[in-house]
Amino acid sequence: EAGVAQSPRYKIIEKRQSVAFWCNPISGHATLYWYQQILGQGPKLLIQFQNNGVVDDSQLPKDRFSAERLKGVDSTLKIQPAKLEDSAVYLCASSSNDNEQFFGPGTRLTVL
Amino acid sequence: GEDVEQSLFLSVREGDSSVINCTYTDSSSTYLYWYKQEPGAGLQLLTYIFSNMDMKQDQRLTVLLNKKDKHLSLRIADTQTGDSAIYFCAEKAANDYKLSFGAGTTVTVRA
Repeated sequence: EAGVAQSPRYKIIEKRQSVAFWCNPISGHATLYWYQQILGQGPKLLIQFQNNGVVDDSQLPKDRFSAERLKGVDSTLKIQPAKLEDSAVYLCASSSNDNEQFFGPGTRLTVL
Repeated sequence: GEDVEQSLFLSVREGDSSVINCTYTDSSSTYLYWYKQEPGAGLQLLTYIFSNMDMKQDQRLTVLLNKKDKHLSLRIADTQTGDSAIYFCAEKAANDYKLSFGAGTTVTVRA
């Protein structure tokens, strides 16, 4: 079974630029999550989708971050404009039940 | 997360047992998890325990849960160099989907 796929793996941008990350969850997983992991910390949930609907986006900085999952499969997370403090690893996870979340390799973002 | 705490570092000799500890504050936690993160990689689910259990064993891994003290531990028997990684404890509260993670414990296995 293929795991969660994410691209790109690395991205370096300057502050105020825009960036987008892509995630392809495990086939058949209805729930998709985006986490932000700042260096030295554990992941923190940004947004959760159930199929193509948003379940929880309470921690998403909506003035600059947006996410979508239009067809209930792939998802994109966008930052516009980026700030220095957005430098982090952005992890995508998916699950088919409430108990287990499976994570992708992450996208490491550096904002200069 | 501030609701889940772990010690930051653990150094262990190859072949010895490692014990990684975690405390959490949410008494409504239903599931508690251990994830492993190797350099440059995502999080790998190692094991998880339901809150009505006090122990779970899976090959070299033993999870102990003390619900009264809100304390979770992960024991790795016969620690190998491939066990060097960051280990994250996470909890999931009742009626919630998201996981709350600790800051991670960096385990270094020395020869």
